[in-house]
Amino acid sequence: GAVVSQHPSWVICKSGTSVKIECRSLDFQATTMFWYRQFPKQSLMLMATSNEGSKATYEQGVEKDKFLINHASLTLSTLTVTSAHPEDSSFYICSGGGLLQETQYFGPGTRLLVL
Amino acid sequence: KQEVTQIPAALSVPEGENLVLNCSFTDSAIYNLQWFRQDPGKGLTSLLLIQSSQREQTSGRLNASLDKSSGRSTLYIAASQPGDSATYLCAMNRDDKIIFGKGTRLHILP
Repeated sequence: GAVVSQHPSWVICKSGTSVKIECRSLDFQATTMFWYRQFPKQSLMLMATSNEGSKATYEQGVEKDKFLINHASLTLSTLTVTSAHPEDSSFYICSGGGLLQETQYFGPGTRLLVL
Repeated sequence: KQEVTQIPAALSVPEGENLVLNCSFTDSAIYNLQWFRQDPGKGLTSLLLIQSSQREQTSGRLNASLDKSSGRSTLYIAASQPGDSATYLCAMNRDDKIIFGKGTRLHILP
């Protein structure tokens, strides 16, 4: 089946720094990718929809200037957490779908810890 | 190996009927189990989250149950409507990993 990878799987950074998370579709092209985050004991929540070649669409309450999304190719989307703070510590997961977008394939997730 | 299985893979029912979607998982040591809805081309929408210490959660016409001992969860949808047509996924949380089932594609017939 289709595979989505994320890098890094773990990242620890100091408060105020920026962190970039990559999401790659390895054997299919994803015109749309989705970014989610999950805080401990809470549900996975959609942050934004990343569209290849255009601006991302952010869910209500998600700061677009803080969570920069770039979808420059059909196989790569990046999420940059700018000026990270401890409250940004979370589990970030991406997903991508094929041409028909009927099935989503999820990456393994990235755990971010901001000190 | 931790697996999450959803049965059936697809389901069509007439409008107004009550229905049950099933999810089974191989590892009972879970943190929580979540049910999501996915519309074509859209991201996941969280429906219900059941913590490992809970047995069920309800939201409107939706009720989700969790039986860790048998490794099963069900999503009950009452009085189904055409707008309920979507793919429903369950996901198991363990050790900071989320493992998704492949989903049940639900079609409500008007």
